[in-house]
Amino acid sequence: GIQVEQSPPDLILQEGANSTLRCNFSDSVNNLQWFHQNPWGQLINLFYIPSGTKQNGRLSATTVATERYSLLYISSSQTTDSGVYFCAVPPGSGGGADGLTFGKGTHLIIQP
Amino acid sequence: GAGVSQSPRYKVTKRGQDVALRCDPISGHVSLYWYRQALGQGPEFLTYFNYEAQQDKSGLPNDRFSAERPEGSISTLTIQRTEQRDSAMYRCASSLSPGAAGELFFGEGSRLTVL
Repeated sequence: GIQVEQSPPDLILQEGANSTLRCNFSDSVNNLQWFHQNPWGQLINLFYIPSGTKQNGRLSATTVATERYSLLYISSSQTTDSGVYFCAVPPGSGGGADGLTFGKGTHLIIQP
Repeated sequence: GAGVSQSPRYKVTKRGQDVALRCDPISGHVSLYWYRQALGQGPEFLTYFNYEAQQDKSGLPNDRFSAERPEGSISTLTIQRTEQRDSAMYRCASSLSPGAAGELFFGEGSRLTVL
């Protein structure tokens, strides 16, 4: 099945800093989602981004499908941005289980 | 409802008991997925339905796990003869589109603890 790797695994920043989270995947895919798992365990949709760039407030994401990676940018971090950020992709052209495959996540801590 | 609803939110049970976890997807969503998430890990796929048909159950760990969606809406994930290793967060997600191309929306999860 498809492999998803996220980096860095852990990130500690001061409030106001910017960050870039990366997601690499091993096969061609037709969609990609970014999620934020907050400290209460809720899994919140951030972006559905098969390709190109999208922006939502302080967050933006870019997926370069031909090169099999996606980036999530967080600007002017706030303590409420803390949590785990996951990317997830469907089976690639090589097949596999039908559900999204998640990476291990990036654990982000924003310190006041 | 407005979002995916799961119940119970928390379940503590003794080893050997059966448990049933319920998922009510977003109204009109065709596809429904079950995932399991261990502490410190990403969610892992268990099974999925299009309407009432179970399309893929390759992620179910063993035959103690089963799922149904008899009327194409609410789904139940049942774990028989629970074991301590079954302790995890069980997440349900739904999608407007059939297949894996649609955007998935997750519920708040059911946290299962097996003593």
